[in-house]
Amino acid sequence: DAGVIQSPRHEVTEMGQEVTLRCKPISGHNSLFWYRQTMMRGLELLIYFNNNVPIDDSGMPEDRFSAKMPNASFSTLKIQPSEPRDSAVYFCASSYWTGGNTEAFFGQGTRLTVV
Amino acid sequence: RKEVEQDPGPFNVPEGATVAFNCTYSNSASQSFFWYRQDCRKEPKLLMSVYSSGNEDGRFTAQLNRASQYISLLIRDSKLSDSATYLCVARSGAGSYQLTFGKGTKLSVIP
Repeated sequence: DAGVIQSPRHEVTEMGQEVTLRCKPISGHNSLFWYRQTMMRGLELLIYFNNNVPIDDSGMPEDRFSAKMPNASFSTLKIQPSEPRDSAVYFCASSYWTGGNTEAFFGQGTRLTVV
Repeated sequence: RKEVEQDPGPFNVPEGATVAFNCTYSNSASQSFFWYRQDCRKEPKLLMSVYSSGNEDGRFTAQLNRASQYISLLIRDSKLSDSATYLCVARSGAGSYQLTFGKGTKLSVIP
């Protein structure tokens, strides 16, 4: 398996523009997570899905952020409008969770810069 | 207060040294614990799970103290390739797969 695939790897955009980050989880995994990593705050969970259903989106910073998972093999994280403080590395991760100690596999991340 | 706290380091140690990282968690309902490793500009990867009885994987030993809400990672005979950031992770209570990460401890192993 190719692992979790994220695109794009790098994104530079101007403030106010819409940004869409994409994720393809590992085939067969039933849980998908979006994280944001900054030097100041570390890794923060934004939202997670189980069987394509959003379970907890309390980490989504504000209404400018939205996430969807239309099927088991694809998810998007959208920021509209983007702001400079959104600059960070955004990671998608997936796992096959059965309730125990299950490993989460991370994609290589999207490095977002909003200028 | 952040749910999972770690000493950010950096820890600069010579090759062959033994180094220990500590981590505390605030949510007493946390069920499972892990150490992840993150290399510079790379994604986090699972290093090992942490079990109540303590567990060892080669040069790495992880310990959990539920009473003190404390987790540790010991690395023996450090190698240059161990240089990375080590992330302490706690999973929330039953029925949840929410992983909460510490900000990480940076380790540099020096020749």
